Amino acid sequence: DQQVKQNSPSLSVQEGRISILNCDYTNSMFDYFLWYKKYPAEGPTFLISISSIKDKNEDGRFTVFLNKSAKHLSLHIVPSQPGDSAVYFCASRAGNQFYFGTGTSLTVIP
Amino acid sequence: GAGVSQSPSNKVTEKGKDVELRCDPISGHTALYWYRQSLGQGLEFLIYFQGNSAPDKSGLPSDRFSAERTGESVSTLTIQRTQQEDSAVYLCASSLTVLTYEQYFGPGTRLTVT
Repeated sequence: DQQVKQNSPSLSVQEGRISILNCDYTNSMFDYFLWYKKYPAEGPTFLISISSIKDKNEDGRFTVFLNKSAKHLSLHIVPSQPGDSAVYFCASRAGNQFYFGTGTSLTVIP
Repeated sequence: GAGVSQSPSNKVTEKGKDVELRCDPISGHTALYWYRQSLGQGLEFLIYFQGNSAPDKSGLPSDRFSAERTGESVSTLTIQRTQQEDSAVYLCASSLTVLTYEQYFGPGTRLTVT
């Protein structure tokens, strides 16, 4: 049973435009939400997080939005750069366990 | 400032053989996690260790899977009598404590069972 879902396996965006990656979850007990970025042949690296008590967290070009009533999480990247091309995973924490989505492959076209 | 390392990076084994995967976490990190990613799937939690506490093994898919950790250092994940469905990338991550939400991942071990 997939508790965290990323329904878009891939996304292409023009350089300079906004990239929006989406994530849906089912477990209302999740208290932290995270985004990880993964390049080929490397492990995921932490990008940004948000606590369940907040609805927005911003770090430079990256902003994460949380809509608890819709159980929906999104990552906005603006402006998108070619180096942002990677697979993005959303993850959620309940207790001491983390649940990951299947990832969205972002391609930023120069 | 070494990150999380895993070995081997790639492992090809025959069905029925045992394999052992190794993870070296970041020094000082008391929490260590094992995940696996099968083709087209998200990261699937397998097991985590926190200091000297009993590990949470609730994610291990069968009794063919086991893991050990020596104190707060190296961990090994052992898969006995490998099956083709065990083919996946096995990822290890560590964090300062189990309460810390940011995890640092190793590059993974790609296991192929033929």
